[in-house]
Amino acid sequence: GAVVSQHPSRVICKSGTSVKIECRSLDFQATTMFWYRQFPKKSLMLMATSNEGSKATYEQGVEKDKFLINHASLTLSTLTVTSAHPEDSSFYICSARDGKVETQYFGPGTRLLVL
Amino acid sequence: QQQVKQSPQSLIVQKGGISIINCAYENTAFDYFPWYQQFPGKGPALLIAIRPDVSEKKEGRFTISFNKSAKQFSLHIMDSQPGDSATYFCAASKGSNYKLTFGKGTLLTVNP
Repeated sequence: GAVVSQHPSRVICKSGTSVKIECRSLDFQATTMFWYRQFPKKSLMLMATSNEGSKATYEQGVEKDKFLINHASLTLSTLTVTSAHPEDSSFYICSARDGKVETQYFGPGTRLLVL
Repeated sequence: QQQVKQSPQSLIVQKGGISIINCAYENTAFDYFPWYQQFPGKGPALLIAIRPDVSEKKEGRFTISFNKSAKQFSLHIMDSQPGDSATYFCAASKGSNYKLTFGKGTLLTVNP
């Protein structure tokens, strides 16, 4: 099956710093990538949708200046949490969709802890 | 407004039993219904998916039953195993939007 990787898997940073999370589709070209946030024992909350070469579309209530998304190629999207604060601590998960089908394949997630 | 309602919140099943998780949706424009399995600390993994032109789909021990008129779909796990213990999410999307709306999840525990 299709494989999506994320890096790093875990990151701890100080409040006020920025953190970049990478999402890669390893064996297919992802025309669309999605970024989710998940709190403990909760469901996935869609943050934004990114299409290669165009600006990301953010869900209502998600600050686009705080969560910068770049989809520079058909295999790579990045999420940068700018000026991170403890309330940004969460599990961030990306998914990628092959242009031919509607199936989304999820990455393993990135655990962010902001001290 | 919760567009996909999932129940139960948690479920305990004995090994070898059948696990049944239900979802109901409100938006009739939804046309793709996947189920995902998630283990702690991992990303969700696609289990099985169905489109509304089919009433049932089976893959191994996993079966989706779909009732378009009732706007409901369910996941059946036959011969449940301890290794199936995980959180299961139903989801739905519509057309070329492809954005998934998730249910709240069901924590399944299969006792040995």
